[in-house]
Amino acid sequence: SQTIHQWPATLVQPVGSPLSLECTVEGTSNPNLYWYRQAAGRGLQLLFYSVGIGQISSEVPQNLSASRPQDRQFILSSKKLLLSDSGFYLCAWSVKVLGPQYFGPGTRLLVL
Amino acid sequence: GEDVEQSLFLSVREGDSSVINCTYTDSSSTYLYWYKQEPGAGLQLLTYIFSNMDMKQDQRLTVLLNKKDKHLSLRIADTQTGDSAIYFCAEFEDTGKLIFGQGTTLQVKP
Repeated sequence: SQTIHQWPATLVQPVGSPLSLECTVEGTSNPNLYWYRQAAGRGLQLLFYSVGIGQISSEVPQNLSASRPQDRQFILSSKKLLLSDSGFYLCAWSVKVLGPQYFGPGTRLLVL
Repeated sequence: GEDVEQSLFLSVREGDSSVINCTYTDSSSTYLYWYKQEPGAGLQLLTYIFSNMDMKQDQRLTVLLNKKDKHLSLRIADTQTGDSAIYFCAEFEDTGKLIFGQGTTLQVKP
């Protein structure tokens, strides 16, 4: 069966520091991968998605970036965090672009 | 852009039925989804319905789809305290992006 992992689970970082969040999927090949941000436990905002290694599409302009160095690894990064980057970051995968998405456990980021 | 709307809060007593409602705007959606999020956790796919169906039942869950009114509902029979969570409906817009509602917090009172 397929599983999706995210780490770290929780992160507290000072403003201006770098960020690296990692997501990995097991049990499937060539998944579509997604990064979402959820603010205040409510609606989800799609940040990035990837349909293959090295292929990244950005949905919103921001100081975040994403990379997919391996088939089942998706990384969310920032060179300098802002206070507004605080939130709950969720990684998801799907088999098809228009298919159901399956979410990881999330990373809670607090920027102080 | 497309929009998905849900009421923010629903409170029921344990053992009662819960009905969570959702309206959407994209009439070309092929699938519509219901997700459950427990505190501090990721989203769990509960069920989904294909747009050519009116109803789908899965154990205690019943999904009803009214395409004319673009209305989707999730009924939970015999609601338990473990059903307390935030429930999100979601649909695909024509760009292929999955659009989520703001989520309905379900509170189950013993």
